[in-house]
Amino acid sequence: DTAVSQTPKYLVTQMGNDKSIKCEQNLGHDTMYWYKQDSKKFLKIMFSYNNKELIINETVPNRFSPKSPDKAHLNLHINSLELGDSAVYFCASSPGTNTGELFFGEGSRLTVL
Amino acid sequence: GDSVTQMEGPVTLSEEAFLTINCTYTATGYPSLFWYVQYPGEGLQLLLKATKADDKGSNKGFEATYRKETTSFHLEKGSVQVSDSAVYFCALGSPGFQKLVFGTGTRLLVSP
Repeated sequence: DTAVSQTPKYLVTQMGNDKSIKCEQNLGHDTMYWYKQDSKKFLKIMFSYNNKELIINETVPNRFSPKSPDKAHLNLHINSLELGDSAVYFCASSPGTNTGELFFGEGSRLTVL
Repeated sequence: GDSVTQMEGPVTLSEEAFLTINCTYTATGYPSLFWYVQYPGEGLQLLLKATKADDKGSNKGFEATYRKETTSFHLEKGSVQVSDSAVYFCALGSPGFQKLVFGTGTRLLVSP
C-alpha cells in the first residue's frame, strides 16, 4: 500500500485552464503539506495543514487553493494556470508539525503549454 | 531568515569512492538538521537526522555530524555504490518549527 499517493502523476494542460491534484495518506498523520519543485530541483513549501486546519500559506498566489476535507486528504486546486506553474508538486505528510520527518508522495508533474 | 546552502552538483564519482556533500546553514536558535534523498522519479525520503550539536545521524552507510561551531552538516559515505545515484537535500527545522527549509539539492552520479 502506498503511504502517500498523489493523482494524477502527469498533467499537461493549456494556459488559463483550471486543474486539481489530489493527495491521500494512509499513515494516520495529522499534518500534510504541498511542496513545489522547480526545474532546478529547488523545493519550496506552499501550504501546510494540521488536522484540516491551514497553518502555513507561504506567499502563494490566490490562484492556488488547498482543500483538506479530512486529515487524510489534502487537495490542490489551481485556477487560471500560467506557464510558470509548470513544476513537480509534492504532497507530504508527517506525524506532527515539528518532527521533521516528512513522507513524500511520488510527485505530480504539471506542464502548462 | 533560515536558509541552507549546499554544494553545487553534479558530484560524479566512481563506485567505492568516498563521498562528501557539503551543507551549511543559517538559523536562529538551535535547529534540527536533516538529509533527504530523492531517487529518480520518486519523492524525497528521510535519510538521516540530528537534533542537537555534536549528534551524528547515520543510515545506510551515510553519516552526518551536526557541527554548531561551523554551522555545518556535511554528508559522508565511505564507499558509494551505483545505487546511491540520486539527488540529496539538506534541510533544517528551527525550534518549534512548522516547516522544513530545504537546500537546493546536490545530484550524485556514481559510475561502475
